[in-house]
Order: sequence, then C-alpha cells, then structure tokens
Amino acid sequence: NAGVTQTPKFQVLKTGQSMTLQCAQDMNHEYMSWYRQDPGMGLRLIHYSVGAGITDQGEVPNGYNVSRSTTEDFPLRLLSAAPSQTSVYFCASTPSWGSSYNEQFFGPGTRLTVL
Amino acid sequence: AQRVTQPEKLLSVFKGAPVELKCNYSYSGSPELFWYVQYSRQRLQLLLRHISRESIKGFTADLNKGETSFHLKKPFAQEEDSAMYYCALKPQGAQKLVFGQGTRLTINP
Repeated sequence: NAGVTQTPKFQVLKTGQSMTLQCAQDMNHEYMSWYRQDPGMGLRLIHYSVGAGITDQGEVPNGYNVSRSTTEDFPLRLLSAAPSQTSVYFCASTPSWGSSYNEQFFGPGTRLTVL
Repeated sequence: AQRVTQPEKLLSVFKGAPVELKCNYSYSGSPELFWYVQYSRQRLQLLLRHISRESIKGFTADLNKGETSFHLKKPFAQEEDSAMYYCALKPQGAQKLVFGQGTRLTINP
C-alpha cells in the first residue's frame, strides 16, 4: 500500500491564483481530513470528510473548498490564493472514528508559498 | 471549546538526561489523548495513545484528569528522539483531533 499520497510536494502561487492540492489513500479509510501546519500554531483542521459525499468544516475553512466523490480521493481547492495561505498542508486518513484505534495516517505534506 | 496547550515551543536536553514534554488540555468531557511525532524528513505519525497505557520507544504519558495534563516523559533521552512532538485531543463523540502548537525537542550529544 502507498498509504496517503499528496501532490504536489511544493507549489508557488501568485496572489489570486487558484489551485487544487491532491490527496489520495489506498487503505479504504472512511475518514479523511486536511490540516495546515504553521510555526507556533501547530496543526489546524481545515476540512474533513466522514465518507464519500460528506464533508464538513474544521477550524479554519475560509478560502478552501473540498469534495469527496470517492472513498480514495479528497482534493483541497484554494479558490483565490492569498499570502496568508502560505503553509504546509497535510492530508490524513483514519479507518473510522467508531473504532477504538483512532490513529490518523498522514501524507508527506505539500509546501505552498503564495507570493 | 477544546484546547490543547504545549507551553514549550523548543526544548533542548542532553543525551541521557530525562525529558518531559508538557501538554495541558481544556475540555469538560472525557477526552482521548495522543502524542504524535514528526522526525526530520518523515511523516507525522502516532507515538502513543493514553488509552493504551503503553510505552513506545521508552516514552510514556499519563493522563492526569485533575490537572488536565498529558505530559510525555522519557527517563533517558537519545539523539534519535530529536523531533517535533504534537499533543492531540479527540473530544468524546467527535470525529476530529485538536492539536497543540507542538514542541521541537533537540537532544544534544
């Protein structure tokens, strides 16, 4: 299994541009989420999904959209990039929060810079 | 609202010394607590969960509900313990994790 994969690894955008960060998992996990990692602020939840067709907002959803058309994929869209969205983005998945295991498996991250 | 606080952004200790990474949480219910670790050039990964009451790589963490703390401890630090450590809380019934700000641990030779 490849686990959780993210593309691209690095991206530089100009203010106002849009783009999609890709995330895929091959573990048949129900739950997927997107975090951003900023120095001194830890990981903050952007959006999450509890299954195909179901998404919900996390702590910092503004400026981002998500969709979950398949179990495997959970893309994150930046509608109009702003310098404040410069960050490292992590995608994560977990089998189900209903289990006692509750471990999240993380992707390698995408480092995004908005100029 | 739930909150996880890691008061130390940076922690530096010498090899062989004891290490304690502090984690305090604010939550009125019964939380599940975790420590995640990110080694250099590696993915963020689960280190341990309070519910397991296990020791992983020599680390232990005890949930203290009275002090609302979940400090991570190791009696003898090793150089390979240098990493970024995150404390995380799962609120009861919720389908998300709330992370602390992280502590960068450096073990000096």
